[in-house]
Amino acid sequence: AQSVSQHNHHVILSEAASLELGCNYSYGGTVNLFWYVQYPGQHLQLLLKYFSGDPLVKGIKGFEAEFIKSKFSFNLRKPSVQWSDTAEYFCAVTDIGGYNKLIFGAGTRLAVHP
Amino acid sequence: DGGITQSPKYLFRKEGQNVTLSCEQNLNHDAMYWYRQDPGQGLRLIYYSQIVNDFQKGDIAEGYSVSREKKESFPLTVTSAQKNPTAFYLCASSTPKGQNLNTEAFFGQGTRLTVV
Repeated sequence: AQSVSQHNHHVILSEAASLELGCNYSYGGTVNLFWYVQYPGQHLQLLLKYFSGDPLVKGIKGFEAEFIKSKFSFNLRKPSVQWSDTAEYFCAVTDIGGYNKLIFGAGTRLAVHP
Repeated sequence: DGGITQSPKYLFRKEGQNVTLSCEQNLNHDAMYWYRQDPGQGLRLIYYSQIVNDFQKGDIAEGYSVSREKKESFPLTVTSAQKNPTAFYLCASSTPKGQNLNTEAFFGQGTRLTVV
């Protein structure tokens, strides 16, 4: 069955630290990959997405992610975090060769201290 | 403005009662989804629908039911058979397989259901 694993459930960083959140998926076919963010009290927003082409994708607010097909991974990165990045981050996968089922990981709660 | 509207924002239910959560979209999307969000468990898929009059069970469909009579609407009923219904419920929509696959899902603001 299709699944998404996020390795870090809670991450605490100081401002200006670098961030990398891990995401692995289990599906052998063609996928679309997403990172969503949920700021406190707000609804889910798209951070970035990968459909095809360059495996390094840029998103909003300085975030980027790299798709490594051989590792079934789509890790999220940011060189220097800010206090305003405090949020919960979700990795998601759609199996476009299947029934277009959209599956999410368990999420990573990021707290950035000033 | 285009978007997804979930209502109500907060809902209280007595044990043993069925309750229906509303989800309406005016994005002209064919695909719609229902998720349940619990702390530490992310978003778990309850049901999804690719087209009108068709829907599929997700990973945690037991105790829930849906209908898709109109493209714009995908109501979720939480039945008395759902053993732990207190949660935050999110509805989403996107375009389906075969029609511009390269799109992301858009989410509503959610409904917080509490069983009292």
